[in-house]
Amino acid sequence: QQQVKQSPQSLIVQKGGISIINCAYENTAFDYFPWYQQFPGKGPALLIAIRPDVSEKKEGRFTISFNKSAKQFSLHIMDSQPGDSATYFCAASKRPYGQNFVFGPGTRLSVLP
Amino acid sequence: GAVVSQHPSWVICKSGTSVKIECRSLDFQATTMFWYRQFPKQSLMLMATSNEGSKATYEQGVEKDKFLINHASLTLSTLTVTSAHPEDSSFYICSAAVAGSSYEQYFGPGTRLTVT
Repeated sequence: QQQVKQSPQSLIVQKGGISIINCAYENTAFDYFPWYQQFPGKGPALLIAIRPDVSEKKEGRFTISFNKSAKQFSLHIMDSQPGDSATYFCAASKRPYGQNFVFGPGTRLSVLP
Repeated sequence: GAVVSQHPSWVICKSGTSVKIECRSLDFQATTMFWYRQFPKQSLMLMATSNEGSKATYEQGVEKDKFLINHASLTLSTLTVTSAHPEDSSFYICSAAVAGSSYEQYFGPGTRLTVT
């Protein structure tokens, strides 16, 4: 129940295209869902996060769509750029604050110029 | 934004020696710090959770006598890999959180450990 599934494992997108990464969870106690971007040799950096009280959150070219009933959430990267090439991790967390995150296995995104 | 630093960023040590990695929250007080290990092309694996002034809580399968964690202050946690072996070579990442304040964890830049 603690697992977060993520797909696809890898993704190749042309420059300007839309990148879509999907995650699913089982534990209904999760109520915070961040996405992290990680470049090789660097620590993860928070990209965008959502709570279950909203179905969508947009920040620039990045959008999270959240489906509470299906227990799924996805990251959409619009107008994908070569600089977006990185590994993306979804995660889930629950109260109380300061809890550990459960991370998905990651998606390696390559955006071709 | 909250900044977490790690030192060193990379370290090479000989088999059998010990190495210490520091994790610092630079502009906030971290009541909880997490240590992760990441192998190439894999996700982050939680090793242990440490709360300031308390003993660390280790995940199943992580040897507490090998990976010593000290969270002596609200801004510093250290991970010491004792009697390192080549299989301990990995990317170690810490994160810091403020319990009761925010969901968010702030990640450090990671430390690349190579044991020869």
